[in-house]
Amino acid sequence: DQQVKQNSPSLSVQEGRISILNCDYTNSMFDYFLWYKKYPAEGPTFLISISSIKDKNEDGRFTVFLNKSAKHLSLHIVPSQPGDSAVYFCAAIDETSYDKVIFGPGTSLSVIP
Amino acid sequence: DTGVSQDPRHKITKRGQNVTFRCDPISEHNRLYWYRQTLGQGPEFLTYFQNEAQLEKSRLLSDRFSAERPKGSFSTLEIQRTEQGDSAMYLCASSPGTGADTEAFFGQGTRLTVV
Repeated sequence: DQQVKQNSPSLSVQEGRISILNCDYTNSMFDYFLWYKKYPAEGPTFLISISSIKDKNEDGRFTVFLNKSAKHLSLHIVPSQPGDSAVYFCAAIDETSYDKVIFGPGTSLSVIP
Repeated sequence: DTGVSQDPRHKITKRGQNVTFRCDPISEHNRLYWYRQTLGQGPEFLTYFQNEAQLEKSRLLSDRFSAERPKGSFSTLEIQRTEQGDSAMYLCASSPGTGADTEAFFGQGTRLTVV
């Protein structure tokens, strides 16, 4: 039973264009969401987060949008750069279980120069 | 201290052997997590420590797996009688434990290959 879903295993975008990565979750108790970025042979690196009391959080080129009623969030990267090529994991914090992070399966982003 | 450190980075072992991995969290973090990641999947939670106390274990953690965090500092994850299905990336993460609104910081992982 996957609580965090990322239905697109991969995405290719031209450099300079917008990358949009989508995520859906099933547990309505989730209150805090994160995006992690992962390069091969490295651990996930925190990218950006959003609390359920907000619907948008922006950090430079990265913006996360949350639609709590739809249990959907998305990560926008604009403009996309080749260095953004990585696997992006959507994640939620399970406050009912020691704040452990529940990850989605990931979306592999390729930014083409 | 610049982050979470894991050792070794890679481990190849024969089926049936025991292996032990080490994690050194960020020094002031009292929460420590172990995760396992297989190809094409996101990291899956294995176990959690609050200081030296192991407070939760996933059903994924069979009896062959044991984790410790003596003195609430570094942690070890041991796998006994390894099986090929244990091949995965084992990730350790720590967080300050000041509430839910803080991210977990991950180490680079230990990649285990059981042959």
